[in-house]
Amino acid sequence: GEDVEQSLFLSVREGDSSVINCTYTDSSSTYLYWYKQEPGAGLQLLTYIFSNMDMKQDQRLTVLLNKKDKHLSLRIADTQTGDSAIYFCAERAPALIFGKGTTLSVSS
Amino acid sequence: GAVVSQHPSRVICKSGTSVKIECRSLDFQATTMFWYRQFPKQSLMLMATSNEGSKATYEQGVEKDKFLINHASLTLSTLTVTSAHPEDSSFYICSAVASGADNEQFFGPGTRLTVL
Repeated sequence: GEDVEQSLFLSVREGDSSVINCTYTDSSSTYLYWYKQEPGAGLQLLTYIFSNMDMKQDQRLTVLLNKKDKHLSLRIADTQTGDSAIYFCAERAPALIFGKGTTLSVSS
Repeated sequence: GAVVSQHPSRVICKSGTSVKIECRSLDFQATTMFWYRQFPKQSLMLMATSNEGSKATYEQGVEKDKFLINHASLTLSTLTVTSAHPEDSSFYICSAVASGADNEQFFGPGTRLTVL
């Protein structure tokens, strides 16, 4: 079945770049997504990438997709304390299949 | 962007009672809505797919008689947790797919259910 894997924790200093990695299994996913969840809140769509793209940049966010290796990454440039949250990658198969989430901790 | 609301945001109930959670798409029509459940510090698990005007499709291991889903209109789906027990305590999140635009799901803010 479909499966999405992520590392569980990432700790960075304010101003550094953060890179969150994800692997997925369903090669038929048309879109792959990154969501952000702050404590006690719902999910916020950060960005998504179409499966025929290798890279997508949106302000401080850069998404890289390696379709051959089924690897997706999210890079946050100039990470701020407000970026501290749980980040989920998800693939569409057809309902979203989520990874377990990566907790990003940003220290000042 | 499109807005999805959930009501209530928090509910505390006694064991054995039933709780209804509403999911509304406020500025778009949604033929499909999804219900997810999230345990503390864990990922979202899909419970069921709700299609307007038809029966919901439940994921394996989800009891359809316990988690009743009704999608009576293009803007409203309800999840009723019947005879709730403490193990049903969780964060329930719905999402809606805009009709004609199936590449994005819009999520509600979630409902925190605590069963005493």
